[in-house]
Amino acid sequence: EDQVTQSPEALRLQEGESSSLNCSYTVSGLRGLFWYRQDPGKGPEFLFTLYSAGEEKEKERLKATLTKKESFLHITAPKPEDSATYLCAVQDTGRRALTFGSGTRLQVQP
Amino acid sequence: DSGVTQTPKHLITATGQRVTLRCSPRSGDLSVYWYQQSLDQGLQFLIQYYNGEERAKGNILERFSAQQFPDLHSELNLSSLELGDSALYFCASSGGLGLRDTQYFGPGTRLTVL
Repeated sequence: EDQVTQSPEALRLQEGESSSLNCSYTVSGLRGLFWYRQDPGKGPEFLFTLYSAGEEKEKERLKATLTKKESFLHITAPKPEDSATYLCAVQDTGRRALTFGSGTRLQVQP
Repeated sequence: DSGVTQTPKHLITATGQRVTLRCSPRSGDLSVYWYQQSLDQGLQFLIQYYNGEERAKGNILERFSAQQFPDLHSELNLSSLELGDSALYFCASSGGLGLRDTQYFGPGTRLTVL
């Protein structure tokens, strides 16, 4: 059974204080790993897709990396508007559905 | 804005009742997925339709059913509602069958069962 574990559950940063969020996964075969951002009461917003170990993608202050067992979402010099829950999801080669982790609640204080 | 629309935004009903949630996918997308998000379970996949046909099933209860119409919009029907069905229900869409496709999520329908 596919498993996705995200850590930490919650993270509080000062504006400008860089950090990383972790997503550990167990799948029989990885078709893709997805990062989403979710604001309270809203739908998940797509950020990145990673397909193979060693792959990296960047968007503004966010950078996602992938190894064979985990993915990191690095946040550089965060701003208060980066406050949200960040969700990691995996797609197994044998399935079409995404399996989501529980998310990391990020709060960036000015 | 992802381009996926869902109605209604909020729904309040009583136990034992039946409700219908509606989803319109992004223009050109053929796959529609339904997910349930509750506080204790996180985001859970329910069911996928591709061009009108059911293609994948997750943890969907027998009291729940879905369909995708010729214009590609989808409806999720929830019947004999229980208190535990209170949750956010999201629809997502993707262009193809879902293999390596990015799924784009709608704004969700918040269901409250009293």
